[in-house]
Amino acid sequence: KQEVTQIPAALSVPEGENLVLNCSFTDSAIYNLQWFRQDPGKGLTSLLLIQSSQREQTSGRLNASLDKSSGRSTLYIAASQPGDSATYLCAVRKYNDMRFGAGTRLTVKP
Amino acid sequence: DTGVSQNPRHKITKRGQNVTFRCDPISEHNRLYWYRQTLGQGPEFLTYFQNEAQLEKSRLLSDRFSAERPKGSFSTLEIQRTEQGDSAMYLCASSLFLGTGTSNTEAFFGQGTRLTVV
Repeated sequence: KQEVTQIPAALSVPEGENLVLNCSFTDSAIYNLQWFRQDPGKGLTSLLLIQSSQREQTSGRLNASLDKSSGRSTLYIAASQPGDSATYLCAVRKYNDMRFGAGTRLTVKP
Repeated sequence: DTGVSQNPRHKITKRGQNVTFRCDPISEHNRLYWYRQTLGQGPEFLTYFQNEAQLEKSRLLSDRFSAERPKGSFSTLEIQRTEQGDSAMYLCASSLFLGTGTSNTEAFFGQGTRLTVV
């Protein structure tokens, strides 16, 4: 059974810092990995999708990498802003459903 | 707005009552997923449809739960005889499946329906 772990569970940083969120998964035979953002009480917003054949994807200040063989992905956020405060979730897809980690709750202090 | 739409956003119900939630996916998406999320946890897979066919159900989906997607467009999730343990956020997602051997496309989620059973 696929297990997805996100470390740390919570992170607080001052505005302007660069930061890295980690996601690890136990079964490396995945189709893709997707990073999401979730604001309190809201649904999930897709940030980046990395196919299993790719090593990284970039969107604005966000960069996600994938090392399938070691079962790891990282989400790098550059020059963090208070508006980045949210919970960040990674999800891995094998076959037809996505398995999620419990998320990293990020707080960016002004 | 052409994103995934879920209704209602919030539902409070008494234990033992039946509730039904609706999800309208992105119009060209042929796959539709239901997930459940409790506080502090990631979403857990419940079931998914490809067009109108329900192709997989999680063991989390007890006999009190039923989902339909009658015309391959919107979907409903019904919970019968609700229990306090059913209190959660119910999330719907959709994606476009292009066939076996092709890359899976991005999944998009709705805003969710928060269910509180009292």
